[in-house]
Amino acid sequence: AQSVSQHNHHVILSEAASLELGCNYSYGGTVNLFWYVQYPGQHLQLLLKYFSGDPLVKGIKGFEAEFIKSKFSFNLRKPSVQWSDTAEYFCAVKTDKLIFGTGTRLQVFP
Amino acid sequence: DAGVTQSPTHLIKTRGQHVTLRCSPISGHKSVSWYQQVLGQGPQFIFQYYEKEERGRGNFPDRFSARQFPNYSSELNVNALLLGDSALYLCASSWGGIAYNEQFFGPGTRLTVL
Repeated sequence: AQSVSQHNHHVILSEAASLELGCNYSYGGTVNLFWYVQYPGQHLQLLLKYFSGDPLVKGIKGFEAEFIKSKFSFNLRKPSVQWSDTAEYFCAVKTDKLIFGTGTRLQVFP
Repeated sequence: DAGVTQSPTHLIKTRGQHVTLRCSPISGHKSVSWYQQVLGQGPQFIFQYYEKEERGRGNFPDRFSARQFPNYSSELNVNALLLGDSALYLCASSWGGIAYNEQFFGPGTRLTVL
């Protein structure tokens, strides 16, 4: 069955620390990949997406993600986090439907 | 422009009752998808409607049904409610089908089944 795994359930960082959130998916065909973010009290919103081309994609607010096809991974990175990055982050894969991971809760302390 | 709107915001029902949740997509968007988000989990796909036709269905029982109206708004109906149906129900709209278009999510309807 198609699935998405996010291995980090809760990440706590200090401001200026680097961030990497893992995302692995299980599907052998062509996929479209997404990272969504949900800030406290706000809607889910798109952070970045990969459809094709350059496997390193850049999103909003300094986030980027790298698609590694051989590893079925699409990890999210940010070189230096800010307190305002505190949120829940969801990796999602589109096959014939959009499949979400369980989410990673990120807390950034000043 | 207004984003995706959902009503009601919160709802409390008892087991066995039925519920209707409503969604209005962003103006110009023709596709609406419904998701269930249980606490601590990611959203799970329930339905997608495009141009008033069902285009996709997730692994949910027949108690769940939906429809899309000529103005592209949508309703999600759940019959014979179970305690396990307690969740945040999200609606997302996009210009076309899921395949090539970003989905924009609404704030959700929090359903509590007692």
